Amino acid sequence: GQQVMQIPQYQHVQEGEDFTTYCNSSTTLSNIQWYKQRPGGHPVFLIQLVKSGEVKKQKRLTFQFGEAKKNSSLHITATQTTDVGTYFCAGPGGSQGNLIFGKGTKLSVKP
Amino acid sequence: DAGVTQSPTHLIKTRGQQVTLRCSPKSGHDTVSWYQQALGQGPQFIFQYYEEEERQRGNFPDRFSGHQFPNYSSELNVNALLLGDSALYLCASSFIAGQGGGGYTFGSGTRLTVV
Repeated sequence: GQQVMQIPQYQHVQEGEDFTTYCNSSTTLSNIQWYKQRPGGHPVFLIQLVKSGEVKKQKRLTFQFGEAKKNSSLHITATQTTDVGTYFCAGPGGSQGNLIFGKGTKLSVKP
Repeated sequence: DAGVTQSPTHLIKTRGQQVTLRCSPKSGHDTVSWYQQALGQGPQFIFQYYEEEERQRGNFPDRFSGHQFPNYSSELNVNALLLGDSALYLCASSFIAGQGGGGYTFGSGTRLTVV
């Protein structure tokens, strides 16, 4: 079945350093979504990418969708302690619209 | 704020028992998806309900069943509970089964512990 893989599983950074997480799908995706889950919380929708090669920015966060629409990345510039959490990518699991989530990248930020 | 509401927030059950979890979707959303999230893992898709019908199902046994009501709210039922069913159960709502854009809105989840 379809798989969505994320690396790294964990990332520890010093506050102010940059952070990147990568997402790869076993199949071509119509779109990819990114979610953030704070410790003890629930996933919160960040963004959806639809077009091949698309790049979107949200303040210090930059999201990219690969040209082949099989991979994506999230880059955070100058991390802050508020960025702590697990970042998940998710792609459609079929024609009906359900989402398949990766295992996530857990980000910790040392002040 | 008309976000996704789940109840109860925590639940402790004994092996073999049955449990029902409830979800009210965000205002304006018509689709409810249920996910199981084990500790340290990503959410695993259980099933999705749209127009009161199960549209798609993940790799979960028939012990997991659900229902969607005319007001779009939903229930997740799990029979013959196993220790391995202990997890955070998340309800996510969306518009037109997620194809209306804007991603999924998740509830805070129900933490189920089976002892």
